[in-house]
Amino acid sequence: DAGITQSPRHKVTETGTPVTLRCHQTENHRYMYWYRQDPGHGLRLIHYSYGVKDTDKGEVSDGYSVSRSKTEDFLLTLESATSSQTSVYFCAIRGRREENYGYTFGSGTRLTVV
Amino acid sequence: KQEVTQIPAALSVPEGENLVLNCSFTDSAIYNLQWFRQDPGKGLTSLLLIQSSQREQTSGRLNASLDKSSGRSTLYIAASQPGDSATYLCAACTSITQGGSEKLVFGKGTKLTVNP
Repeated sequence: DAGITQSPRHKVTETGTPVTLRCHQTENHRYMYWYRQDPGHGLRLIHYSYGVKDTDKGEVSDGYSVSRSKTEDFLLTLESATSSQTSVYFCAIRGRREENYGYTFGSGTRLTVV
Repeated sequence: KQEVTQIPAALSVPEGENLVLNCSFTDSAIYNLQWFRQDPGKGLTSLLLIQSSQREQTSGRLNASLDKSSGRSTLYIAASQPGDSATYLCAACTSITQGGSEKLVFGKGTKLTVNP
């Protein structure tokens, strides 16, 4: 499914430590996104990328940074993890014109900050 | 700011029933609307995408409609089965910036339970 792989699938980390989540795609899509999903809030956009080294903030970007040095990889870093960042993180790509610009999501990373 | 609402939040029906899930959005300037299914602890599976110029899309027992002017979409599931039990998410594709970047804005979902 658009060849999206998220790693790790599960992670437990301690408060104050940095954490990096990886999203890897194999089909050269330009647009990539990071969302978090929380009960009562649904899915919310953290950061997105519209090309190599081109990234911008979403609605819940505080405490997060991203990098995209290659088309295929979009990294999300929690600079100093807090308990409020315990969540399920989803990466997504936006499909091409011939795919009607539909979005495809990865399987998610379940992050627990203790 | 685009806001997406899904009603009801939860729905329980007997097997075989036809049902409708509702989605409303506040800004009619959408590029498309996409329906997803999410099973517990799993990722999102795309069900149907309706482009802004379309009125409906069908896939098997699923039919999604779009009325941009009223800010509404519905997902119709015919002859429901226990395997349809999941959370259904509606997402509107909307502009982030005038430069052309877009994002999906999600509703909080409808949790569907189909009882045998």
